[in-house]
Amino acid sequence: EAQVTQNPRYLITVTGKKLTVTCSQNMNHEYMSWYRQDPGLGLRQIYYSMNVEVTDKGDVPEGYKVSRKEKRNFPLILESPSPNQTSLYFCASSLSIRSGNQPQHFGDGTRLSIL
Amino acid sequence: QQQVKQSPQSLIVQKGGISIINCAYENTAFDYFPWYQQFPGKGPALLIAIRPDVSEKKEGRFTISFNKSAKQFSLHIMDSQPGDSATYFCAAHYAHGGSQGNLIFGKGTKLSVKP
Repeated sequence: EAQVTQNPRYLITVTGKKLTVTCSQNMNHEYMSWYRQDPGLGLRQIYYSMNVEVTDKGDVPEGYKVSRKEKRNFPLILESPSPNQTSLYFCASSLSIRSGNQPQHFGDGTRLSIL
Repeated sequence: QQQVKQSPQSLIVQKGGISIINCAYENTAFDYFPWYQQFPGKGPALLIAIRPDVSEKKEGRFTISFNKSAKQFSLHIMDSQPGDSATYFCAAHYAHGGSQGNLIFGKGTKLSVKP
C-alpha cells in the first residue's frame, strides 16, 4: 500500500531534549516536505526536499533541521525543542514538484508537545 | 506575493445545503490549484484540482469555479452531507527554475455539516 509513515504519532517531551520525527515513503517520490499545522494558521511549510541531498527552507525553518540521505526518508530534527514548537506536524511527498498535477501524499501526523 | 488567502475560517451548513469556500491569490505565476480535504486525525488528501485555463471543474458533488481575471477560485460542495465535515485547504502551485516548484496552502476552512 502506497503510504507516508511518520513516527512517533504522539510525543510529549521537555524543553531542550533533542528529538527526531521520522518520515518514510514507499512510492519512490522525489519531493518531500514537512509542515506544521496550528489553529488559525493552517499548514506552514518548514523544509522541503526536491531530491536526495537537496533540501531548502520553507516559511518557518527556525529551530528545525532536516536531512535527505536516501530517497525514501526525510527526518525532521529538533535539536533543542522549545514550547513554541508544540504543534501537529505532517510529512508529505509527491512524485515531482516540477508540475502541479502531482498530488502530495500526507502522513497521518505527529502531535508534539514540548513542556 | 506567495500567498493564498482563504475564507471563511469556519463554516456551518445544514445537511443538503451548499458549502462555498473562497480563495484568492496575487501571483499570476501560479499554474495549478488543488483543494485538499482533511478529516480529524488524518493528513490532508487531494480532493479536486483545476488548471487556470479552465473556468470550472466538477467531480460528483464537488465543483471548483475559477476566475482568472479576478485571481479567485472557490470550492462548492452541493448537497452537503455530515460526512463532508472536515477541514478544507486550497492551494496553489508554482514552478521556478528548470526543476523546482512548490505548493502554497491557504489557512484552511473548518466545515461542519449539521444533520
